[in-house]
Amino acid sequence: AQKITQTQPGMFVQEKEAVTLDCTYDTSDPSYGLFWYKQPSSGEMIFLIYQGSYDQQNATEGRYSLNFQKARKSANLVISASQLGDSAMYFCAMRPRTGRRALTFGSGTRLQVQP
Amino acid sequence: EPEVTQTPSHQVTQMGQEVILRCVPISNHLYFYWYRQILGQKVEFLVSFYNNEISEKSEIFDDQFSVERPDGSNFTLKIRSTKLEDSAMYFCASGQDPATQYFGPGTRLTVT
Repeated sequence: AQKITQTQPGMFVQEKEAVTLDCTYDTSDPSYGLFWYKQPSSGEMIFLIYQGSYDQQNATEGRYSLNFQKARKSANLVISASQLGDSAMYFCAMRPRTGRRALTFGSGTRLQVQP
Repeated sequence: EPEVTQTPSHQVTQMGQEVILRCVPISNHLYFYWYRQILGQKVEFLVSFYNNEISEKSEIFDDQFSVERPDGSNFTLKIRSTKLEDSAMYFCASGQDPATQYFGPGTRLTVT
């Protein structure tokens, strides 16, 4: 079984500053993928970034980077230079690399960017 | 940029009625999924579909639910006899490979 834990129900950050959203996971699968999604107030789920468990480097996509620490089973999302439009719910998710394709989601973190 | 689309954006139905939620996945994608999110809760997996058959389903996906890819472009989720607890946002997702899943904007289902 897989489990995702997001311990921060809400976070505040000042515009233009960086913020880290925490995600820890538990799995018995030897190979897996980790995902982050953004859900604005309009409700859609926007894919942000993906990290494979055997990837040599941490994933980056523009202002998003994933701080992957395999030994600690953490996959924190770092957003640099926060913008007002970054205010949203952020979900961490994972799935095994093989076999099951279902994503297991965490409970989410609500990020509010303040001017 | 291609995207997953879903219709309708909001559906209101009475308890016991059948509903069909429609999704058009990204055109060259091969893997299709339905998830739901009850208001204020986490996103839950319902079913995955590949090669014209269900490849995986959760315990939520009972006999009241079915999926279909009727014409090679649409991907539908049918709920045969809706219950109040089926009220949720339903997300369709698709992927070119198992590693990625792009979500649609969702259909908000309200059962009264």
